[in-house]
Amino acid sequence: ETGVTQSPTHLIKTRGQQVTLRCSSQSGHNTVSWYQQALGQGPQFIFQYYREEENGRGNFPPRFSGLQFPNYSSELNVNALELDDSALYLCASSPTGTRSYNEQFFGPGTRLTVL
Amino acid sequence: EDKVVQSPLSLVVHEGDTVTLNCSYEVTNFRSLLWYKQEKKAPTFLFMLTSSGIEKKSGRLSSILDKKELFSILNITATQTGDSAVYLCAAPNTGNQFYFGTGTSLTVIP
Repeated sequence: ETGVTQSPTHLIKTRGQQVTLRCSSQSGHNTVSWYQQALGQGPQFIFQYYREEENGRGNFPPRFSGLQFPNYSSELNVNALELDDSALYLCASSPTGTRSYNEQFFGPGTRLTVL
Repeated sequence: EDKVVQSPLSLVVHEGDTVTLNCSYEVTNFRSLLWYKQEKKAPTFLFMLTSSGIEKKSGRLSSILDKKELFSILNITATQTGDSAVYLCAAPNTGNQFYFGTGTSLTVIP
């Protein structure tokens, strides 16, 4: 069984640029969640996708957007990057529907640095 | 405002000690309480608790949930250096929104 994978591992961008982060969910999982984890903080929920539709969103501005594809892989897009966007971005997948819940399995994360 | 608060923020113990990590939550439409261990990057799942008063155990780790007082504890007995990590608790609501605490950083000294 393949675990959750994310790419790239590290990324350096400058303010104002745009970035796309990618996540492949664990086999058989149809739900993907994205988190932002700043240094020394717990993960902050960005949004969740279930069967290609957004299924919950945290307190992040619209410049954070996402997609889920028919194979359940997902992208996180961030426009107009700001210095405070520097963080570890974690993706987690789970074999859940909209009315049930299971534990999430996290990928290794993408470390984004905005200069 | 929904939130999860963990204490202590950090802890340094010697091998063989027993530690108790605390997690309190205020989450509307609370669904469950989860504990994760984060060593470098990806948090790894430890426990999911949905019912009050039922202890979950895995080796030297155990956890319990109190839904009346809105808290959970994670116990680690006979600590080892490999237990050094950040321990996160999270409380999802029925809207699939996850609230994580800041974590407790545990350092086990040989």
